[in-house]
Amino acid sequence: NAGVTQTPKFQVLKTGQSMTLQCAQDMNHEYMSWYRQDPGMGLRLIHYSVGAGITDQGEVPNGYNVSRSTTEDFPLRLLSAAPSQTSVYFCASSQIIFNSPLHFGNGTRLTVT
Amino acid sequence: QKEVEQDPGPLSVPEGAIVSLNCTYSNSAFQYFMWYRQYSRKGPELLMYTYSSGNKEDGRFTAQVDKSSKYISLFIRDSQPSDSATYLCAMTAGGGNKLTFGTGTQLKVEL
Repeated sequence: NAGVTQTPKFQVLKTGQSMTLQCAQDMNHEYMSWYRQDPGMGLRLIHYSVGAGITDQGEVPNGYNVSRSTTEDFPLRLLSAAPSQTSVYFCASSQIIFNSPLHFGNGTRLTVT
Repeated sequence: QKEVEQDPGPLSVPEGAIVSLNCTYSNSAFQYFMWYRQYSRKGPELLMYTYSSGNKEDGRFTAQVDKSSKYISLFIRDSQPSDSATYLCAMTAGGGNKLTFGTGTQLKVEL
């Protein structure tokens, strides 16, 4: 009963490095999304997807790329990391039906130096 | 100004107390309101879901929505140390998956 699995749990990057945060869900959810959580800012939506091959931008998409080749996986790519991207990143998924709750992973804590 | 405002706390109460957590919002299109609970170093989990104005009760938890005042509340009765967490309000206009979150209120219930 894994739910939403995020890897890695922790990561330290240098400015300018790239990396991919992994997210996988085993609930056959159509909808997947990435949020970042910062003190005083709450959870902010970065990108989301309503199914394989379909992605769209959220509130704070700059500096991030996503793709959705399968229903299960929704990786988030940082192209050239900046200190402003230091944050806790959460992946969440749900069914695409009315009132379906979001299921969150346990987050990736990213520090960019 | 943020669309959703929430006092960050921390709020510290003794075990058994009634806790009141609140959010205000500015977007009158919001109709669906949620409360998520987030334990330290974990992802948020859905606690309560309400539609439009009114009250909804689930065990020790009651969610209240006052759309005329753009104000929502979560009440926790007989609070327990296991209720110590951050509580985030969230809302959406169309009942879909794109939620707007408050910043969260940190609650500590002390023995």
